[in-house]
Amino acid sequence: DAGVIQSPRHEVTEMGQEVTLRCKPISGHDYLFWYRQTMMRGLELLIYFNNNVPIDDSGMPEDRFSAKMPNASFSTLKIQPSEPRDSAVYFCASSPQGDPSTDTQYFGPGTRLTVL
Amino acid sequence: GQNIDQPTEMTATEGAIVQINCTYQTSGFNGLFWYQQHAGEAPTFLSYNVLDGLEEKGRFSSFLSRSKGYSYLLLKELQMKDSASYLCAVIDSNYQLIWGAGTKLIIKP
Repeated sequence: DAGVIQSPRHEVTEMGQEVTLRCKPISGHDYLFWYRQTMMRGLELLIYFNNNVPIDDSGMPEDRFSAKMPNASFSTLKIQPSEPRDSAVYFCASSPQGDPSTDTQYFGPGTRLTVL
Repeated sequence: GQNIDQPTEMTATEGAIVQINCTYQTSGFNGLFWYQQHAGEAPTFLSYNVLDGLEEKGRFSSFLSRSKGYSYLLLKELQMKDSASYLCAVIDSNYQLIWGAGTKLIIKP
């Protein structure tokens, strides 16, 4: 299995532009998580999906952030408009069907976003 | 509030043993994970504890005391490749994963 795939790996954009991050979870995994990691705040859960349905988006910082999962093999995290404070590494993770409290989350390589 | 405390940074010598502590105060408890994260890479799973006691997995062991809200990760026979950040994460009563800030472990020859 290829593992969790994220694209792009690096993104540099200017303030005010729209940014779209993409994730392909591991085949057969029912849970998908979006995280943001910064030096100041560590790893923060933004949103997670179960069977393509958003379960908890309380970690989404504001309305500029939105996430979708149109099918079991693809999810997007969109920031519009982007701001310099959004600069971070964004991780996507997936875990298999079962008890979410025990299933390991498998992380993608991350997208390093820089907003100038 | 939810809080997970880990030391920010630790230094140890190659071949030695190091213990990384994690204390937590969360709304309920449904398990604790340890993840390893090398610089510039994604976190990878190391261990999961839900019952009190020690779980051993090769050179790595993880301990949990639920009554004390305490866990530690024990690394034996340290190797240079063990230089990384070690993240403690707790599952609360709502089955949300609460992450600690991580402990940066520096291994010296």
